[in-house]
Amino acid sequence: NAGVTQTPKFRVLKTGQSMTLLCAQDMNHEYMYWYRQDPGMGLRLIHYSVGEGTTAKGEVPDGYNVSRLKKQNFLLGLESAAPSQTSVYFCASSYSRGLVSYEQYFGPGTRLTVT
Amino acid sequence: DQQVKQNSPSLSVQEGRISILNCDYTNSMFDYFLWYKKYPAEGPTFLISISSIKDKNEDGRFTVFLNKSAKHLSLHIVPSQPGDSAVYFCAPRSHKLIFGTGTRLQVFP
Repeated sequence: NAGVTQTPKFRVLKTGQSMTLLCAQDMNHEYMYWYRQDPGMGLRLIHYSVGEGTTAKGEVPDGYNVSRLKKQNFLLGLESAAPSQTSVYFCASSYSRGLVSYEQYFGPGTRLTVT
Repeated sequence: DQQVKQNSPSLSVQEGRISILNCDYTNSMFDYFLWYKKYPAEGPTFLISISSIKDKNEDGRFTVFLNKSAKHLSLHIVPSQPGDSAVYFCAPRSHKLIFGTGTRLQVFP
C-alpha cells in the first residue's frame, strides 16, 4: 500500500517550458487535490477533484490545468512555466462521504524550480 | 482575507514540557478542524481532528481544544519530545480544507 505517490520529485524548468506532474493514490479515494507551498504561505489549493472526470478550481488556479481521467490519478499541468511557479507541489487524496471530505493524505512533494 | 491564522511562526520548547500551538479562524461555518504535522522534505501527515460539536479531543500526548465562541483552537503536546520538532498546520474545513501558515515547533533536550 503505497498511499499517495508523486512523480517527479525534483524538476528544473526554463521559463516557457511545459511539464506535467503526476499524482497517484491506491486508497480508492474519491477526492484528490493539488497544493503549492511557498515560504510563509502555508498550503494553497490549486485545483481539486471530487471524482473521476471532474475538476474544480481552488484558491490559486491561474497558470495550471488538471485532469482526472482515472480515479487513482490526478495530473497537474503547467503549459508555460513562469518563475512565480517555483514552489513545492503537494498532491493529496481523501476519503469522502457524500459531499463531505475527511482527513487528507499527502504525497511527498515535487520541488519545482523555474529559471 | 486570511480565514485561518497561526500567529506564532515558531515555538521553542524544552523536552518534557508542554507545547501549545494556537490557531484562530474567522468563518463560523467551519465544522471540522484538523491538525497536520510536516517534517522537512516530506508531505504533511494528519495528526488529530475535532468536530465542532466537541470542545476537546485527546489522542495520546496530543490534545486539541476548540473554543467556538472565540473562534480559536489549540493543540497541546504533553510531554514534548525532540521527534515532535516539525511544522504544524491547523486546517479548518467547510467543504474543503483551509490551511493556516503553520507554526514551526522546535523541541530541544
